[in-house]
Amino acid sequence: QKEVEQDPGPLSVPEGAIVSLNCTYSNSAFQYFMWYRQYSRKGPELLMYTYSSGNKEDGRFTAQVDKSSKYISLFIRDSQPSDSATYLCASREGGANSKLTFGKGITLSVRP
Amino acid sequence: EAQVTQNPRYLITVTGKKLTVTCSQNMNHEYMSWYRQDPGLGLRQIYYSMNVEVTDKGDVPEGYKVSRKEKRNFPLILESPSPNQTSLYFCASSEGGKAFFGQGTRLTVV
Repeated sequence: QKEVEQDPGPLSVPEGAIVSLNCTYSNSAFQYFMWYRQYSRKGPELLMYTYSSGNKEDGRFTAQVDKSSKYISLFIRDSQPSDSATYLCASREGGANSKLTFGKGITLSVRP
Repeated sequence: EAQVTQNPRYLITVTGKKLTVTCSQNMNHEYMSWYRQDPGLGLRQIYYSMNVEVTDKGDVPEGYKVSRKEKRNFPLILESPSPNQTSLYFCASSEGGKAFFGQGTRLTVV
C-alpha cells in the first residue's frame, strides 16, 4: 500500500460548486500535511500547510486533517475556472527535513 | 523574487549521451531535492541534499547522480540516459518542511 493514497479523478465541476478533494495515508508518524496545486506545464506550488489534526482556512480553501482516521481533505468553496489544476496532497514526519510523500494527484476542471 | 530555476525546460536527447540539468535557488535554503513526475506514479524523490557536500538517495536514484558543491546549486546528472528516464523532472528547495519547486524540465530520451 502506498503511504499516501489519493482519489484518482479526474474531477469536473461547474463554476461555483464546492469541491472536496481527499487523501488517506498509512504512516502514523506523519505529522505535517500539505496540499500543492500544479497548473499545466508548471511546478507544484504550496497551497495549504497544516500540522496535526484540525482545520485550516485560507480564503476559499479549507484543509482538514483527521489523524484518527488518517484522512486529509481540501475543500474549495465557490470554485472558479482558475482553480482548474492538479492538486497533490503530501505528508511528512516531524523534523524540518523529513521526506515529503506525495499522493498521485487529482486533476480538477472547473467549467465556466 | 524567491525562486528555483531549472534549465533547460525541455530536452530531447539520445540514449547514452550524458546530460546535466541545472537547478539554482536564491532563498539560501539548505535542503534541496530532485523529483521525477510520471503519469500514474506521481512525484517520486530521486536524490536530496541536506547541505553542501551532503547528498543521499531518494526513492528512485538508479541512473542518476547529483552534486552539491555550492549551497544554491544542485545539478542532476544522467551519465548514460535511457528511454525509461523520459519524464518530467522537478528540483525543489525547502525550508521548515515547505518545498518550493522549479518550473520543471521535460526530458525525452530516444
